[in-house]
Amino acid sequence: GQQVMQIPQYQHVQEGEDFTTYCNSSTTLSNIQWYKQRPGGHPVFLIQLVKSGEVKKQKRLTFQFGEAKKNSSLHITATQTTDVGTYFCAGLWAGNMLTFGGGTRLMVKP
Amino acid sequence: SQTIHQWPATLVQPVGSPLSLECTVEGTSNPNLYWYRQAAGRGLQLLFYSVGIGQISSEVPQNLSASRPQDRQFILSSKKLLLSDSGFYLCAWSSDDADTQYFGPGTRLTVL
Repeated sequence: GQQVMQIPQYQHVQEGEDFTTYCNSSTTLSNIQWYKQRPGGHPVFLIQLVKSGEVKKQKRLTFQFGEAKKNSSLHITATQTTDVGTYFCAGLWAGNMLTFGGGTRLMVKP
Repeated sequence: SQTIHQWPATLVQPVGSPLSLECTVEGTSNPNLYWYRQAAGRGLQLLFYSVGIGQISSEVPQNLSASRPQDRQFILSSKKLLLSDSGFYLCAWSSDDADTQYFGPGTRLTVL
Protein backbone atom coordinates (compact mmCIF):
# COMPACT_ATOMS: atom_id res chain seq x y z
CA GLY A 1 0.00 0.00 0.00
CA GLN A 2 0.86 3.66 -0.06
CA GLN A 3 3.25 5.04 2.54
CA VAL A 4 4.42 8.38 3.86
CA MET A 5 8.00 8.51 5.08
CA GLN A 6 8.57 10.89 7.97
CA ILE A 7 11.94 12.22 9.12
CA PRO A 8 13.63 12.58 11.46
CA GLN A 9 12.46 9.85 13.81
CA TYR A 10 13.72 11.76 16.86
CA GLN A 11 14.85 15.33 17.48
CA HIS A 12 16.34 16.88 20.60
CA VAL A 13 16.39 20.67 20.67
CA GLN A 14 17.23 23.33 23.20
CA GLU A 15 14.26 25.42 24.22
CA GLY A 16 14.07 28.40 21.88
CA GLU A 17 15.55 26.58 18.89
CA ASP A 18 13.50 25.86 15.79
CA PHE A 19 12.29 22.39 14.76
CA THR A 20 11.17 20.92 11.46
CA THR A 21 9.73 17.52 10.54
CA TYR A 22 9.25 16.34 6.98
CA CYS A 23 6.90 13.92 5.25
CA ASN A 24 7.42 12.46 1.81
CA SER A 25 5.31 10.37 -0.53
CA SER A 26 6.46 8.76 -3.77
CA THR A 27 3.10 9.56 -5.39
CA THR A 28 0.81 12.58 -5.41
CA LEU A 29 -1.32 13.06 -2.34
CA SER A 30 -4.92 14.26 -2.25
CA ASN A 31 -4.30 15.92 1.09
CA ILE A 32 -2.12 15.64 4.14
CA GLN A 33 -3.02 15.99 7.80
CA TRP A 34 -0.88 16.64 10.85
CA TYR A 35 -1.45 15.31 14.37
CA LYS A 36 0.27 15.82 17.71
CA GLN A 37 0.52 13.22 20.46
CA ARG A 38 1.64 14.45 23.86
CA PRO A 39 3.57 11.97 26.04
CA GLY A 40 1.08 9.48 27.49
CA GLY A 41 -1.74 10.92 25.40
CA HIS A 42 -3.50 10.20 22.15
CA PRO A 43 -2.98 11.80 18.72
CA VAL A 44 -4.90 15.02 18.22
CA PHE A 45 -5.64 16.54 14.84
CA LEU A 46 -3.80 19.79 14.13
CA ILE A 47 -4.46 20.73 10.52
CA GLN A 48 -5.23 19.57 6.99
CA LEU A 49 -3.53 20.80 3.79
CA VAL A 50 -5.24 20.27 0.45
CA LYS A 51 -3.91 22.69 -2.14
CA SER A 52 -0.59 22.58 -3.95
CA GLY A 53 1.91 24.93 -2.27
CA GLU A 54 -0.46 25.62 0.61
CA VAL A 55 0.97 27.23 3.75
CA LYS A 56 -0.95 27.46 7.00
CA LYS A 57 0.09 28.86 10.34
CA GLN A 58 -1.01 28.17 13.88
CA LYS A 59 0.86 30.54 16.20
CA ARG A 60 4.48 29.27 16.12
CA LEU A 61 3.65 26.29 13.88
CA THR A 62 3.92 26.59 10.09
CA PHE A 63 2.63 23.81 7.84
CA GLN A 64 3.55 23.54 4.16
CA PHE A 65 2.34 21.33 1.34
CA GLY A 66 4.72 20.94 -1.57
CA GLU A 67 3.98 22.20 -5.06
CA ALA A 68 3.87 18.63 -6.38
CA LYS A 69 1.73 17.52 -3.42
CA LYS A 70 4.25 14.81 -2.59
CA ASN A 71 5.79 16.32 0.51
CA SER A 72 4.90 18.37 3.52
CA SER A 73 6.64 19.94 6.48
CA LEU A 74 5.83 21.20 9.95
CA HIS A 75 8.08 23.92 11.32
CA ILE A 76 7.99 25.13 14.91
CA THR A 77 9.65 28.47 15.65
CA ALA A 78 11.30 28.98 19.03
CA THR A 79 10.28 25.71 20.62
CA GLN A 80 8.85 25.60 24.11
CA THR A 81 8.62 22.70 26.56
CA THR A 82 4.91 22.51 25.76
CA ASP A 83 5.83 21.45 22.20
CA VAL A 84 7.18 18.12 23.46
CA GLY A 85 5.49 15.13 21.86
CA THR A 86 5.30 13.09 18.71
CA TYR A 87 4.17 14.74 15.50
CA PHE A 88 2.53 12.55 12.86
CA CYS A 89 1.71 13.35 9.30
CA ALA A 90 -1.06 11.36 7.64
CA GLY A 91 -1.41 11.18 3.88
CA LEU A 92 -4.43 10.53 1.74
CA TRP A 93 -4.25 9.28 -1.84
CA ALA A 94 -7.26 9.15 -4.15
CA GLY A 95 -9.36 6.05 -3.43
CA ASN A 96 -7.38 5.12 -0.37
CA MET A 97 -7.55 5.44 3.39
CA LEU A 98 -5.67 7.94 5.51
CA THR A 99 -2.21 6.51 6.24
CA PHE A 100 -0.02 7.71 9.09
CA GLY A 101 3.70 8.33 8.89
CA GLY A 102 6.04 6.91 11.52
CA GLY A 103 6.08 10.14 13.53
CA THR A 104 8.82 12.47 14.77
CA ARG A 105 9.40 12.54 18.49
CA LEU A 106 10.38 16.00 19.67
CA MET A 107 12.21 16.48 22.95
CA VAL A 108 12.89 19.99 24.25
CA LYS A 109 15.56 20.72 26.84
CA PRO A 110 14.66 23.64 29.10
CA SER B 1 -20.63 17.04 19.90
CA GLN B 2 -18.93 13.74 19.25
CA THR B 3 -17.02 11.84 21.91
CA ILE B 4 -15.12 8.59 21.88
CA HIS B 5 -14.61 6.37 24.89
CA GLN B 6 -12.25 3.49 25.51
CA TRP B 7 -11.97 1.17 28.45
CA PRO B 8 -10.22 0.05 30.40
CA ALA B 9 -7.55 2.75 30.55
CA THR B 10 -4.86 0.32 31.71
CA LEU B 11 -4.72 -3.44 31.82
CA VAL B 12 -2.16 -5.98 33.02
CA GLN B 13 -2.79 -9.50 31.80
CA PRO B 14 -0.88 -12.78 31.96
CA VAL B 15 0.33 -14.49 28.81
CA GLY B 16 -2.33 -16.82 27.46
CA SER B 17 -5.26 -14.95 28.97
CA PRO B 18 -8.13 -13.54 26.86
CA LEU B 19 -8.58 -9.88 26.00
CA SER B 20 -11.52 -7.63 25.34
CA LEU B 21 -11.13 -3.89 24.77
CA GLU B 22 -14.14 -1.76 24.06
CA CYS B 23 -14.56 1.49 22.16
CA THR B 24 -17.78 3.48 21.82
CA VAL B 25 -18.55 6.66 19.95
CA GLU B 26 -21.30 9.13 20.76
CA GLY B 27 -22.83 11.93 18.77
CA THR B 28 -22.40 10.54 15.25
CA SER B 29 -23.94 7.84 13.07
CA ASN B 30 -22.30 5.22 10.87
CA PRO B 31 -18.74 6.28 11.61
CA ASN B 32 -15.67 4.54 10.25
CA LEU B 33 -13.92 2.93 13.21
CA TYR B 34 -10.27 1.98 13.61
CA TRP B 35 -8.05 0.05 16.01
CA TYR B 36 -4.37 1.00 16.18
CA ARG B 37 -1.53 -0.35 18.28
CA GLN B 38 1.45 1.73 19.31
CA ALA B 39 4.57 0.16 20.80
CA ALA B 40 6.52 2.32 23.25
CA GLY B 41 8.09 5.26 21.42
CA ARG B 42 6.91 4.01 18.06
CA GLY B 43 4.38 4.86 15.36
CA LEU B 44 0.77 3.87 14.83
CA GLN B 45 0.10 0.41 13.45
CA LEU B 46 -3.37 0.04 11.96
CA LEU B 47 -4.85 -3.27 13.10
CA PHE B 48 -8.49 -3.19 11.97
CA TYR B 49 -10.99 -0.82 10.47
CA SER B 50 -14.71 -0.99 9.96
CA VAL B 51 -17.06 0.93 7.69
CA GLY B 52 -20.25 -0.53 9.14
CA ILE B 53 -21.86 -3.07 11.47
CA GLY B 54 -20.31 -6.50 11.00
CA GLN B 55 -17.82 -5.19 8.40
CA ILE B 56 -14.22 -5.63 9.55
CA SER B 57 -11.02 -5.31 7.53
CA SER B 58 -7.80 -6.64 8.98
CA GLU B 59 -4.53 -4.95 8.12
CA VAL B 60 -2.12 -7.20 9.96
CA PRO B 61 -2.53 -10.95 10.52
CA GLN B 62 -2.12 -11.75 14.21
CA ASN B 63 -3.87 -13.34 17.15
CA LEU B 64 -6.21 -10.39 17.56
CA SER B 65 -9.72 -10.00 16.18
CA ALA B 66 -12.24 -7.19 16.04
CA SER B 67 -16.00 -7.01 16.00
CA ARG B 68 -18.58 -4.29 15.50
CA PRO B 69 -21.81 -5.52 17.04
CA GLN B 70 -23.46 -2.08 17.00
CA ASP B 71 -23.05 1.02 14.86
CA ARG B 72 -20.98 2.90 17.41
CA GLN B 73 -19.28 0.03 19.23
CA PHE B 74 -15.96 -1.52 18.27
CA ILE B 75 -14.38 -4.36 20.21
CA LEU B 76 -10.85 -5.72 20.06
CA SER B 77 -10.38 -9.28 21.30
CA SER B 78 -7.88 -12.04 21.72
CA LYS B 79 -8.34 -15.61 22.88
CA LYS B 80 -4.74 -15.97 24.13
CA LEU B 81 -2.46 -12.99 24.67
CA LEU B 82 1.21 -13.03 23.73
CA LEU B 83 4.00 -10.95 25.27
CA SER B 84 4.26 -9.12 21.94
CA ASP B 85 0.66 -7.91 22.32
CA SER B 86 1.78 -5.36 24.92
CA GLY B 87 1.30 -1.79 23.80
CA PHE B 88 -0.94 1.23 23.67
CA TYR B 89 -4.22 0.47 21.89
CA LEU B 90 -6.00 3.38 20.31
CA CYS B 91 -9.48 3.47 18.85
CA ALA B 92 -10.38 6.20 16.38
CA TRP B 93 -13.38 7.27 14.33
CA SER B 94 -13.90 9.30 11.20
CA SER B 95 -16.85 10.32 9.06
CA ASP B 96 -15.35 8.58 6.04
CA ASP B 97 -12.04 7.22 4.75
CA ALA B 98 -10.72 10.65 3.84
CA ASP B 99 -11.80 12.54 6.88
CA THR B 100 -9.93 13.53 10.00
CA GLN B 101 -9.57 10.75 12.53
CA TYR B 102 -10.47 11.38 16.16
CA PHE B 103 -8.76 9.21 18.70
CA GLY B 104 -9.93 7.87 22.01
CA PRO B 105 -7.80 8.10 25.18
CA GLY B 106 -6.32 4.64 24.60
CA THR B 107 -5.77 1.46 26.63
CA ARG B 108 -2.30 0.68 27.88
CA LEU B 109 -1.93 -3.11 27.86
CA THR B 110 0.92 -4.94 29.56
CA VAL B 111 1.20 -8.67 29.04
CA LEU B 112 3.40 -10.41 31.60
